[in-house]
Amino acid sequence: KNEVEQSPQNLTAQEGEFITINCSYSVGISALHWLQQHPGGGIVSLFMLSSGKKKHGRLIATINIQEKHSSLHITASHPRDSAVYICAVLLKTGANNLFFGTGTRLTVIP
Amino acid sequence: ETGVTQSPTHLIKTRGQQVTLRCSSQSGHNTVSWYQQALGQGPQFIFQYYREEENGRGNFPPRFSGLQFPNYSSELNVNALELDDSALYLCASSRDSGANVLTFGAGSRLTVL
Repeated sequence: KNEVEQSPQNLTAQEGEFITINCSYSVGISALHWLQQHPGGGIVSLFMLSSGKKKHGRLIATINIQEKHSSLHITASHPRDSAVYICAVLLKTGANNLFFGTGTRLTVIP
Repeated sequence: ETGVTQSPTHLIKTRGQQVTLRCSSQSGHNTVSWYQQALGQGPQFIFQYYREEENGRGNFPPRFSGLQFPNYSSELNVNALELDDSALYLCASSRDSGANVLTFGAGSRLTVL
């Protein structure tokens, strides 16, 4: 069982829709990252969360430590948001490495 | 402030060969982590280098090895390549070993034939 589970695996939305991607994890963490990966491989770090909520432009990320769950929301989605969104967690104990989910492939149709 | 640069971007090798991938960390970052991303999967941690020393290793065999140089750039070496080593290899740098703020490179895509 993967320590990090994401849902949905694939998501298609119409331009302008509100989008939610979910991430659940099964271990104690010190931080959670939301990452964006475009075709070709480059990864961009969107957020790093350890509690509460963060907002950047049309992106909002929330985390509930007690429920071991995080969500990434995109408001007013746009075709340029099409990418793979990956949740990754940094464990509270052990090596300083990230455990990644398998990603959510988002396609926003004009 | 320069980002993380990886080279080469693409390469093709044959089974049994050896490969070296390179990563230049972002200015001010002293930690480099390497990840392997197979097609359709999330990245898997290979190892991390902090101030020129290995600082954690994932579940990869010893034929995966690395180095970090005094300027904090890093190399990933893979010996005796296998077909399953075909993947995108990503490096990420951070200001310290806690991986709180990460900058990723664009990756090196390795194909083993």
